Order: sequence, then C-alpha cells, then structure tokens
Amino acid sequence: AQSVTQLDSHVSVSEGTPVLLRCNYSSSYSPSLFWYVQHPNKGLQLLLKYTSAATLVKGINGFEAEFKKSETSFHLTKPSAHMSDAAEYFCVVSDRGSQGNLIFGKGTKLSVKP
Amino acid sequence: NAGVTQTPKFRILKIGQSMTLQCAQDMNHNYMYWYRQDPGMGLKLIYYSVGAGITDKGEVPNGYNVSRSTTEDFPLRLELAAPSQTSVYFCASSYGLAEDTQYFGPGTRLTVL
Repeated sequence: AQSVTQLDSHVSVSEGTPVLLRCNYSSSYSPSLFWYVQHPNKGLQLLLKYTSAATLVKGINGFEAEFKKSETSFHLTKPSAHMSDAAEYFCVVSDRGSQGNLIFGKGTKLSVKP
Repeated sequence: NAGVTQTPKFRILKIGQSMTLQCAQDMNHNYMYWYRQDPGMGLKLIYYSVGAGITDKGEVPNGYNVSRSTTEDFPLRLELAAPSQTSVYFCASSYGLAEDTQYFGPGTRLTVL
C-alpha cells in the first residue's frame, strides 16, 4: 500500500534563506509524486509533480523537488524563501491502482521570518 | 473559467441535521473527488467519481453519500450530522487518472454542534 511521510510538521526559515521540506514515500508501484501548497483559508494548488520522467522536477514559484528512488524520497527545495511562501505544504503519492486516488502526507507548515 | 466552485463556504449544523455540500467544475473533467481535512492531518478521500453516473467509496465514506448526474456537478450529502464530521471539505477534479493534476475548490468549513 502507498504511504507518504512528511518528516517535519513545522519548518521556520528566514526570508532569503533556503527551504527544505522533507518527504519519504512508500509505494509498491512506480509512483507519481506531487507537492501541493495550501495558503491560509484557501484550497490546494499544485506546485510540481513527478511522473517517471526527469528525476529533478521544477515547479512554480522557484520550487523544485528531486525524486530519489534509492532513498524513497521526494524532498522539496527552494534556494531563497520569500514571505509569500508561508503556507502549508503537502507531499502526495498517487495510487495508480485505484483510479487516481491521492494519498496525502500530514503536511508541513512553513513559516518565513522577515 | 471559474475552475472548481464550492458552496457554502461555511456552515454550522446541529447534531442530526442533514445538508448537501455543492461542488461544480467547468473544465469538463471526468474525475471528481471529495476530501475532508482535519486539523494537523492531510486530506482523506471520502468519495470519488469517474464520470456521470459512476461513483465509488474512498477511505472515509461512512456518514456521506454522493451522486453524479452530470459531468459538472458532484454534490456531497451528509445525513444525520455528527460532531465527528466537523471538518473542512474540499472538492477536486481532474481530467484523467493518477498522474493528472487535481484542481481543488476553496473548501467548505463545516461545524457540527
């Protein structure tokens, strides 16, 4: 069965410093992996997705993630945090065996200090 | 395009009441989904639909019902509301299967007292 673990429930960085949000997954299939972002009181928006093409995936707003099969990881990074990046981030794995159902991690809340 | 719309934005129910959460999408997507989000947790799938007339249970379907009479609409029905159903509900849609992007509505915050 597919599962996803976000290793930090809360990450705090200063504006202009790098961001690292960690995600490990478990999947019996070759997985599709996603990062979604949720700003306060808003719906979720796709940041980026991996679907077995290039292992380094670039997303919106300067975010990128690297798929590492040997480590079963899909960490999200950004070189320089902006105040507008403050939000909750969800790592998601898709269960290819069940009609596109998504398995969500519990989320990582990113705080950005001025 | 409005994308995925949900109504209402907020609702307070008394225990035992019923209500329908509305969801509509204008992207001609085949797949639609209902999730609930509880504090400190990721989203959990309640029900999904792969097309008009076809629905199936997700991870947490108890206490809910759905129907899909048109491609655009996917209402979620709560019968006999319970405090455990206090949550934020998100509707989503996608064109196709697993690796397709899901587009989310803004959510409905429901409180059952």
